[in-house]
Amino acid sequence: DAKTTQPTSMDCAEGRAANLPCNHSTISGNEYVYWYRQIHSQGPQYIIHGLKNNETNEMASLIITEDRKSSTLILPHATLRDTAVYYCIVSESNFGNEKLTFGTGTRLTIIP
Amino acid sequence: GAVVSQHPSRVICKSGTSVKIECRSLDFQATTMFWYRQFPKQSLMLMATSNEGSKATYEQGVEKDKFLINHASLTLSTLTVTSAHPEDSSFYICSASTYRGEGTGELFFGEGSRLTVL
Repeated sequence: DAKTTQPTSMDCAEGRAANLPCNHSTISGNEYVYWYRQIHSQGPQYIIHGLKNNETNEMASLIITEDRKSSTLILPHATLRDTAVYYCIVSESNFGNEKLTFGTGTRLTIIP
Repeated sequence: GAVVSQHPSRVICKSGTSVKIECRSLDFQATTMFWYRQFPKQSLMLMATSNEGSKATYEQGVEKDKFLINHASLTLSTLTVTSAHPEDSSFYICSASTYRGEGTGELFFGEGSRLTVL
């Protein structure tokens, strides 16, 4: 699996949009971009994933650049409960049966 | 949505004893489950891939005789830490895939099990 690079930590004011960047410059054409988050002492929670097109669901939006070398996860209206470590992962599988390699992630802190 | 449950959520044991952690897919059958370990302030590290009815595939550096994995049914995988020592104290997390061989699937994580070895 290709590696990803994320900032170690970020702060965001409550109510504002949180934009979390991820670089995956060596991503291959059949690799998906996944985002998970982990709230302290809990298991990771799936947020969103995409291949080429931008994606949106009830939790977040995923913006993937045209060359697919980077992406941004957007939490439109951050709340205190969004404080967590966010992991950007690339994986070939859209089936969920492939192992995911977690990097160090971005520790997002939502400031009241 | 799909739920993966781990038990126990917390366990404290004495050095030298063995501890079993269960991972159950509550509303789907999982042919593949994954076991991760997470030390404080570190990321998740994959330990092994567990396939129903076959031997687990361990990642490099993970002792298969120390971390016994049994995936006896489509809804249950167990991780047994044998002869546990304080350095085995960690947060153990499982994940389960809904993929059934065709179409697409999803991956769901359990809540994690915190092991403390005294």
